[in-house]
Amino acid sequence: EPEVTQTPSHQVTQMGQEVILRCVPISNHLYFYWYRQILGQKVEFLVSFYNNEISEKSEIFDDQFSVERPDGSNFTLKIRSTKLEDSAMYFCASSEIGANYGYTFGSGTRLTVV
Amino acid sequence: AQSVTQPDIHITVSEGASLELRCNYSYGATPYLFWYVQSPGQGLQLLLKYFSGDTLVQGIKGFEAEFKRSQSSFNLRKPSVHWSDAAEYFCAVGARNTPLVFGKGTRLSVIA
Repeated sequence: EPEVTQTPSHQVTQMGQEVILRCVPISNHLYFYWYRQILGQKVEFLVSFYNNEISEKSEIFDDQFSVERPDGSNFTLKIRSTKLEDSAMYFCASSEIGANYGYTFGSGTRLTVV
Repeated sequence: AQSVTQPDIHITVSEGASLELRCNYSYGATPYLFWYVQSPGQGLQLLLKYFSGDTLVQGIKGFEAEFKRSQSSFNLRKPSVHWSDAAEYFCAVGARNTPLVFGKGTRLSVIA
């Protein structure tokens, strides 16, 4: 079964550093998403991406965040200057337009800011 | 505004007993509804989804859910719980190719 792949599975970074979280969506999916889950809390939407541009973003997705699809397969989330409160599990997801609609999550990257 | 309510934060059931996890939603359009399961430290695994048609949907691991439009509910059920079902369960609502809105989750504990 097709999967959404995320790397790394766990990243520790110092406050103020930049981090890039990587995702490889399912190949025939055209919509891409990032979600965040702070420990013990619910899953929150960050941003959606379609046709090489952001289609929707939440209040959480401020100027410290950016997304990019640098090539035909990767989809990245960059946090420019990490804060302690950015510590969370970050999930990538992708979905397709077609009739056989699927919405698949990756296994997540646990980001720890120290 | 779109929202999902999972009224039960934590449920404990005995192994072999039946299970029902509640989910109520508020959504302006015809919703797509999902149930995901998350084991500790793990990702989100899709249990089942509802888009249209038969309101009783079957999922993986013996789970099923029933969409009731009049009650804005999409409750998850399993007739006989196994110890391996202990996890966090999330209900989510959305539309085609739109962001999902998640509930706060229900933690399921299973006792012998």
